[in-house]
Amino acid sequence: DVQLVESGGGLVQPGGSLRLSCAASGFAVSSTYMSWVRQAPGKGLEWVSIIYRDGSTYYADSLKGRLTMSRHSPENTVSLLINSLRREDTAVYFCARGQGTFEDQYFDYWGQGTLVTVSS
Amino acid sequence: QSELTQPPSVSGAPGQRVTISCTGSSSNLGAGYDVHWYQHLLGTAPKLLIHGNNNRPSGVPDRFSGSKSGTSASLAITGLQAEDEADYYCQSYDSSLGDWVFGGGTKLTVL
Repeated sequence: DVQLVESGGGLVQPGGSLRLSCAASGFAVSSTYMSWVRQAPGKGLEWVSIIYRDGSTYYADSLKGRLTMSRHSPENTVSLLINSLRREDTAVYFCARGQGTFEDQYFDYWGQGTLVTVSS
Repeated sequence: QSELTQPPSVSGAPGQRVTISCTGSSSNLGAGYDVHWYQHLLGTAPKLLIHGNNNRPSGVPDRFSGSKSGTSASLAITGLQAEDEADYYCQSYDSSLGDWVFGGGTKLTVL
């Protein structure tokens, strides 16, 4: 069965950094697109980043410059490093598997999410 | 402000039919990009309901259906059940942003 489990969330001060991790089982993360999607309190879903099959990455404009997404094939995980955290980055961060063609991709499996709280 | 616009809330009685609209623009739905739909209960993993405008993954009841025309799409739920009470999101690709975008979400209340 396909399963995604996020970890690494927590309380961090503004300006700090945090690395989130997503452990996959039931498929190889290198075989498909993997994305991070977040949901701020009381808000909707927001796409954050993607890593392609070839390992290249792309980030939402609103977060570009502060994110690094990477893949670790032996462990079958993907991670997201967020730098210079701001209060508005407070959200539940989900990892999701992408399926279909690149632009028309949809997210067929999601993790339960990990909560990031940015506060002093 | 989402690139895809959904009503904040819809409601219906058990057994009724409800629809949730998703309105986009010429850079997303109107450009021919597919729309996909998700069901989300707070504290859980979002669930894919419809992909490629009108395709149901295995395990999703046929009470759920999707359609798309031009810059608009809709999700229809027939035979409403209490367990359908959740937030629903549409998603597509926006060529102006170069990003995947979600609607603002619609809260479905089963009366």
